[in-house]
Amino acid sequence: GAGVSQSPRYKVAKRGQDVALRCDPISGHVSLFWYQQALGQGPEFLTYFQNEAQLDKSGLPSDRFFAERPEGSVSTLKIQRTQQEDSAVYLCASSSDPQVGTQYFGPGTRLLVL
Amino acid sequence: AQSVAQPEDQVNVAEGNPLTVKCTYSVSGNPYLFWYVQYPNRGLQFLLKYITGDNLVKGSYGFEAEFNKSQTSFHLKKPSALVSDSALYFCAVSGVLTGFQKLVFGTGTRLLVSP
Repeated sequence: GAGVSQSPRYKVAKRGQDVALRCDPISGHVSLFWYQQALGQGPEFLTYFQNEAQLDKSGLPSDRFFAERPEGSVSTLKIQRTQQEDSAVYLCASSSDPQVGTQYFGPGTRLLVL
Repeated sequence: AQSVAQPEDQVNVAEGNPLTVKCTYSVSGNPYLFWYVQYPNRGLQFLLKYITGDNLVKGSYGFEAEFNKSQTSFHLKKPSALVSDSALYFCAVSGVLTGFQKLVFGTGTRLLVSP
């Protein structure tokens, strides 16, 4: 069946460019999460949506990071004025249960900032 | 603060032998515990979770994990390893302080199963 999809799978950006990463969650999943995974590390929480409401953005590392989910389905993570330290894999996950549902992850977008 | 420790960077086991991947956690209140597996260039795949109830949890691909509250551990086990089990394994915890939706991950353990 259809899982979580993310695009692009790979993105190379020059320092200072803006990037937009897209996530298509599993159909009907109300909860959507973004994580950042640096090389050799475990994923780290960035932000969480329940439907279109962004309920937690405590993990966003700076105000250059912005996420939205305007219609409660597809989400976009935007990074403005990218820096080299932004290079990482960005993972999206979705869940059907906002309380304690299992999070199902997409394949990730690997971002390399030169 | 909530945290997860995976003390082994790599675990080596021969095919057919039992395997254990260790995980300990620190959390206030009752934990929700998860194991995920990551294959190269792919996202995380859910293996199993402990929410409440029986301390022994069975999951996908023959994996199981035992919740031990006194030792704050949630070790992943499999009776007979396969070469195809070779991958990166992550333990994760959520709890009341950070919100049950936010997973805190360990740094991962690479499992290498030799033929």
